[in-house]
Amino acid sequence: DIVMTQSPDSLAVSLGERATINCKSSQSVLYRSNNKNYLAWSQQKPGQPPKLLIYWASTRESGVPDRFSGSGSGTDFTLTISSLQAEDVAVYYCHQYHSTPITFGQGTRLEIK
Amino acid sequence: EVQLVQSGAEVKKSGEALKISCKGSGYSFSSYWIGWVRQMPGKGLECMGIMWPGDSDTRYSPSFQGQVTMSVDKSTSTAYLQWSSLQASDTAMYYCARLGREGSIESPFDYWGQGTLVTVSS
Repeated sequence: DIVMTQSPDSLAVSLGERATINCKSSQSVLYRSNNKNYLAWSQQKPGQPPKLLIYWASTRESGVPDRFSGSGSGTDFTLTISSLQAEDVAVYYCHQYHSTPITFGQGTRLEIK
Repeated sequence: EVQLVQSGAEVKKSGEALKISCKGSGYSFSSYWIGWVRQMPGKGLECMGIMWPGDSDTRYSPSFQGQVTMSVDKSTSTAYLQWSSLQASDTAMYYCARLGREGSIESPFDYWGQGTLVTVSS
């Protein structure tokens, strides 16, 4: 199984400031045949199911604000929120869909400082 | 509009059987892989397995192989997750979720059900 490890486990950022969450996979999730990274980011607010934000490591899902961006390749990935808003308080998860079983990072809790 | 609507919360005793459901609408149910994800209280997300509704091809995650059974009813666009004998450690929220590329197992989870809370008392 591919093990996904996120850092940090929790993060407190001031409103309007940048938030950065990292995700590392135990093996590459890049398919060289199509140069795509099979890595997604999701947001889970309290009492709600997760919501897909980013797929292919850097493609925003329709309707997701452009303050959310994803980057990285191979085994190291980053989710960046450029200017934190109050509604961004949530737990963020990466998951790989390169191979089964699909595996998730342990989650990063984002709070307002 | 794509929707996955799950059955309601369940309270069971250890040793009892249970089957929960997830009904898809707004898309071609048989053309997308569908999975189940467990979230234990205060914990993260774990993929239990995924299924292709077209022929019921199922890929269980090793931790859940033999512990649960996934099934589908294409005629009603419904996926099921069942236990033959629940344990207290099965207490969790269970989500169904669709893999978002038509016909492809290599897809992110894009749409999620609202979750079914299963509580098992010993």
